[in-house]
Amino acid sequence: NAGVMQNPRHLVRRRGQEARLRCSPMKGHSHVYWYRQLPEEGLKFMVYLQKENIIDESGMPKERFSAEFPKEGPSILRIQQVVRGDSAAYFCASSRSYNEQFFGPGTRLTVL
Amino acid sequence: QQQVKQSPQSLIVQKGGIPIINCAYENTAFDYFPWYQQFPGKGPALLIAIRPDVSEKKEGRFTISFNKSAKQFSLHIMDSQPGDSATYFCAASMGSDSSYKLIFGSGTRLLVRP
Repeated sequence: NAGVMQNPRHLVRRRGQEARLRCSPMKGHSHVYWYRQLPEEGLKFMVYLQKENIIDESGMPKERFSAEFPKEGPSILRIQQVVRGDSAAYFCASSRSYNEQFFGPGTRLTVL
Repeated sequence: QQQVKQSPQSLIVQKGGIPIINCAYENTAFDYFPWYQQFPGKGPALLIAIRPDVSEKKEGRFTISFNKSAKQFSLHIMDSQPGDSATYFCAASMGSDSSYKLIFGSGTRLLVRP
C-alpha cells in the first residue's frame, strides 16, 4: 500500500531551464494537490486537480507554472524558465475524497 | 481572512513535558482543522484532525482542543519524547471551497530534550 510518490526527490536546474516534477497519488485517490514550501516557511497551496481537470489554480503564479493530471500517468507540475526564486520544496498531496490529504516526500528544486 | 496564525514559532520542552501549540483563524467558514508533523527532509504527515462540532479529540498522545467561539485550536502532546522533535503545522480548509485546499500556519519547531 504505497504512499504518495514524487520524483525526482532532488532537482537542480540552471536559470532559464525547465523543471518537471512528478506525483503519483495513493492508490484509489483521484484528488491531487500541489503545495510549495519556501525555506523556513509553511506550505502554500498552488493547484488542485482531478483526473484531466484543473479544479482550482488560485495559488499558481500566472506565468511559467502549469500543472496537469492526465487520465493515465502521474500528475506533472511544470516550471518553465526557472529563476532563483523558484528554489523550494514542492509537495504533492492526494486524497480519496475531500479533506484528508496525504503528502509525498517532496521534490527539492534548486535553481543555480 | 484566509490566514491561520500559529504560535509559538519554536518550543523547547523536557522529555515527559506537554508542549502546547496554538492556532487562530478568522474565517468562520473553515470546517476542517488538521495537524501535520514534518521531520527535516520529509513530507508533512497527517497527525490528527478535528471538525468544529467537537471540542476535543484524542489520538494516542496527541490531543486537539477546539474553541469555536474564540476561533482557536491547539495541539497538546502528552508525555513528549525526543522522537517528537519536529516541525508541527496546523491547517484549515472549508467545505464551501470547491477545492478543500489547506491553508497552513507558519509552523512550530519543537525540540524535546532527553
